[in-house]
This record gives sequence, structure tokens and C-alpha cells, in this order.
Amino acid sequence: QQQVKQSPQSLIVQKGGISIINCAYENTAFDYFPWYQQFPGKGPALLIAIRPDVSEKKEGRFTISFNKSAKQFSLHIMDSQPGDSATYFCAATFEGGKLIFGQGTELSVKP
Amino acid sequence: GAVVSQHPSRVICKSGTSVKIECRSLDFQATTMFWYRQFPKQSLMLMATSNEGSKATYEQGVEKDKFLINHASLTLSTLTVTSAHPEDSSFYICSARNPAGDISNEQFFGPGTRLTVL
Repeated sequence: QQQVKQSPQSLIVQKGGISIINCAYENTAFDYFPWYQQFPGKGPALLIAIRPDVSEKKEGRFTISFNKSAKQFSLHIMDSQPGDSATYFCAATFEGGKLIFGQGTELSVKP
Repeated sequence: GAVVSQHPSRVICKSGTSVKIECRSLDFQATTMFWYRQFPKQSLMLMATSNEGSKATYEQGVEKDKFLINHASLTLSTLTVTSAHPEDSSFYICSARNPAGDISNEQFFGPGTRLTVL
């Protein structure tokens, strides 16, 4: 049962552009929404995370926008760089619960 | 930040043999660890939840007799793939929760283990 849906599956952005990845969830019990960055052959690394009582969180070039009523959240990467080229996963979990991942987005930033 | 290590980073074995993968939390005690499997170009799929001192909880469709999990201490969980076959070839990743951290449900991931079964 898929509980977190992520789009797009792949994304190509020019250097300096904005990368936007969207996720939607079903379980309203989720209370923690992290984003992970994964490079080939490596484990995922936490990029940024948000709780549903906050509508936006920004850390450097990375911003999460959260819409609780629509059960949607998105990752914005500003001033995208070739080094940002990786696979990005959104996820959701609740207190003490399992982490449910989205399908992943393969981002390619062209120089 | 919290660090999780895995050993080995990659392993190649013959069909029918068993392989053990270790997951360690290096600078915190983890009462709960998780094991994931990731096939190429796919997402991480949770296999089981490992609780220190008790039996692991397996996800639907994961054979508990094939994927043996032992969480004998607060810093170590092991996954043993028994009688491995080529279809078990995958990237196995563990994660650990730090109950004493600022965010209790945050998971820290290991670097993964690439298993190839010939």
C-alpha cells in the first residue's frame, strides 16, 4: 500500500535554476516529513525535515513547503548546482513509527 | 550528527551460502534499528524493524527465516541472508533511531552493503 506518492520521477534543470519535487501523503497520523539525498552506491543522507505545524522551512538553498490541508509537501532547491545531481526521496513517519519513502526523483543539473 | 556504519560495504558470494551484514551506531545507543532493501532505480523498501533484546518485526512478504535479524546490543544489529540466491542481490541499508536525540523519530542511515550472489 503506497502511502507517500512522489513526482516527478526524473527532473532535468539548468545550473542556477529551481528544482521542485512534490510529494503527497495519505496517513494523517504522519507527523515528521524528512527529505533524503542519495548518491549512487551510498546510503541516503538527511537533507531537511519538517513537522506539520510549520508551513515552510528553509535551510540554505533548500526549502520545504508544507500544505497540511492538502496533505502535500514539496522540496525546492534554489540556485541548483551540478553537485546537487542525485536521487531525492521524500518520506513520512509518526512517533516511533516506520519511515515510509516516496518513489524517488532522479535530479540532473546541467552545467 | 549521529553516525551509523555498516560492514561489509560490498560482498560477493556463491548461491546457497549465507552472508552476515553488521550495522553499528557509533556515537549513540539505538534501541531500534531498521533494515531496508533497495533495488536499482527503486526506492528503499523496509524489510524489518529490529528492537534490542526482542524479536524483529518483519514487513509483509519478507521471509523471516531467510533474513535473520539479531539486535543483541544497543549499538549492533546484524542481518543474515541465509541460503542466498541471485534474486537476493541488492543494496541493503540499515538505519537507527536515536531516542535521546532532539527529534526522537529521526533515522540515521548507514552507507549500505552491496550484495551480489553469483
